[in-house]
Order: sequence, then C-alpha cells, then structure tokens
Amino acid sequence: RKEVEQDPGPFNVPEGATVAFNCTYSNSASQSFFWYRQDCRKEPKLLMSVYSSGNEDGRFTAQLNRASQYISLLIRDSKLSDSATYLCVVNVGNTPLVFGKGTRLSVIA
Amino acid sequence: GAVVSQHPSWVICKSGTSVKIECRSLDFQATTMFWYRQFPKQSLMLMATSNEGSKATYEQGVEKDKFLINHASLTLSTLTVTSAHPEDSSFYICGGGGGTYEQYFGPGTRLTVT
Repeated sequence: RKEVEQDPGPFNVPEGATVAFNCTYSNSASQSFFWYRQDCRKEPKLLMSVYSSGNEDGRFTAQLNRASQYISLLIRDSKLSDSATYLCVVNVGNTPLVFGKGTRLSVIA
Repeated sequence: GAVVSQHPSWVICKSGTSVKIECRSLDFQATTMFWYRQFPKQSLMLMATSNEGSKATYEQGVEKDKFLINHASLTLSTLTVTSAHPEDSSFYICGGGGGTYEQYFGPGTRLTVT
C-alpha cells in the first residue's frame, strides 16, 4: 500500500462549483499534514496546513480524520485560477515529507 | 515564506556529460536540503537528503555515484548529474525546511538530455 494515496482525477468542474479532494495515508505515526498546490512545470507551493480541528482559509477548507487516516480539501466557488494539481503531503516527525501523486483539477468557464 | 533559488532553471545537455544544479536558501539557513525528481504526471520522488558538512543520505534505488550531492555551506547545496543519459531527463527540485514545518521549494530545474 502506498504511503499517501490520492484520486489522480482529473476533476473537471465548472466555475463556481464546489469540489472535494480526498487523501489517505498509511503511517499512523504521521504528525503533520499539508495540502500543496502545483501548477504545470512549477514547483509545489504550500496551500495550507491541516489540523485535527479542521481549518479554513477563504474558499478552502481542510479536514483531518486521524482515526480513519484521511485528509480532505474542499474548494468552494471554484475559480479558473484554481486549476492545478493538488498534492496531499504528510510528515512523520523530523523526516522528509511524503507526497501523494496529486489530484488534477480543471475549472472550466 | 522562505525563499529558495535554483540554477539553472532549464538545461539541455548531450548524453555522457555532467550537469550541476545549484540550490540556495536566500533568507534562512538550511542544515538540511532535499532533492526531488519529478517525471511528467508523476509525484515528487525524494532522491536524497543533503546535510550540511556531512554526506548526503540517498533513497533506495538512487545511485550516489551518479547523483553527487555537496552541501558545503548553510545556504548552498548542489546536485551533479554525472554522465547524464536521456532517462535522466526530468524536473529536479530542491527543498528546504520540512520536518514538522512546511517545506519551501526552489523553482526547479528542467533537465533534457539528448
């Protein structure tokens, strides 16, 4: 089983739609969780950290379920500029980050 | 966030030659830097962990004699792809920070070996 699994997509959604991405991780000792965004031919950039209590940043909401080892990202009112690949990332202590393969999102006008 | 620069941003080289990629942390000291490789439509794959003043730690399957890493200062790590072959063509990205903190990535180097 892969350490971090994501649905690769692509998710093709119209502008204004709400879209949710899911991610599961295999290592129960994982301590830190992130969503990164990667545009084509660019480096990944941190979108948001994910906390057990859940957190929201504008149109983006991240949730963590430690019991199910499951992370989610919800994007409301999708914009064309949201089109990118979204990477689920976990970390176990002071070790390198582990990346999922990413979920591709295309927001269509 | 912290700034990481990478140079060159893209390079084309002939098979058999060596290419050096530089990664610099511009506004923080990086005792550890990470080198990743990303093939098209694939995720970032960690190649090695670069440690300032000591030997790098390579991931399984990554040839340390082919991918030479030097981390001589707290702000500079270099990756040299020796005797490059077409299958080494990829997007190479360095990153600093990490652990329980977010990681900052360089803009990446696109290597094409002909």
